[in-house]
Amino acid sequence: DGGITQSPKYLFRKEGQNVTLSCEQNLNHDAMYWYRQDPGQGLRLIYYSQIVNDFQKGDIAEGYSVSREKKESFPLTVTSAQKNPTAFYLCASSIARTGYEQYFGPGTRLTVT
Amino acid sequence: SQQGEEDPQALSIQEGENATMNCSYKTSINNLQWYRQNSGRGLVHLILIRSNEREKHSGRLRVTLDTSKKSSSLLITASRAADTASYFCATDATGSARQLTFGSGTQLTVLP
Repeated sequence: DGGITQSPKYLFRKEGQNVTLSCEQNLNHDAMYWYRQDPGQGLRLIYYSQIVNDFQKGDIAEGYSVSREKKESFPLTVTSAQKNPTAFYLCASSIARTGYEQYFGPGTRLTVT
Repeated sequence: SQQGEEDPQALSIQEGENATMNCSYKTSINNLQWYRQNSGRGLVHLILIRSNEREKHSGRLRVTLDTSKKSSSLLITASRAADTASYFCATDATGSARQLTFGSGTQLTVLP
């Protein structure tokens, strides 16, 4: 999982509560990403950031928010507006936006009841 | 919609056999990447093949790319039980701001 940490590994929340997932990287990568993975499915892009203080919506941004105040950190907030937030969330980083492999964190499994 | 689609969805083989997984995609690409995911873990990058390359090797892995057919294959030779995982292809589409687009994966089980 080299160089990217996500915390916590498991997270439980009640419906209607916002929750923030942490993602930190020490790879000095400019680009960072958040993906959502549902059982037996591939990854869907939530948000990405190419540089500090800039981020773009992915395919399924509704109900999520992010910030990129530091190069190393890209936290994801799952808001109460997200209709079905229970999922496995993966953070990744890469040297640049395109043309390079992505390095993934170990993931956070969020369960909302 | 997903750019890359893997085939088969699941594959079960005996240790020592070769495993072949295929990926088809829809639009022009800059590169195609293969990733591995062990159950409940993050993805690990395996290999990247650029659109002007046809074949690439890395250890027991061999990847081919046919841009005319918009398809790629991943071959794992002499498989081991530790190769059991899900394998995903991801495409970096030309002119797209979408970043990588992942397929739904092939679940490989290698029986000891």
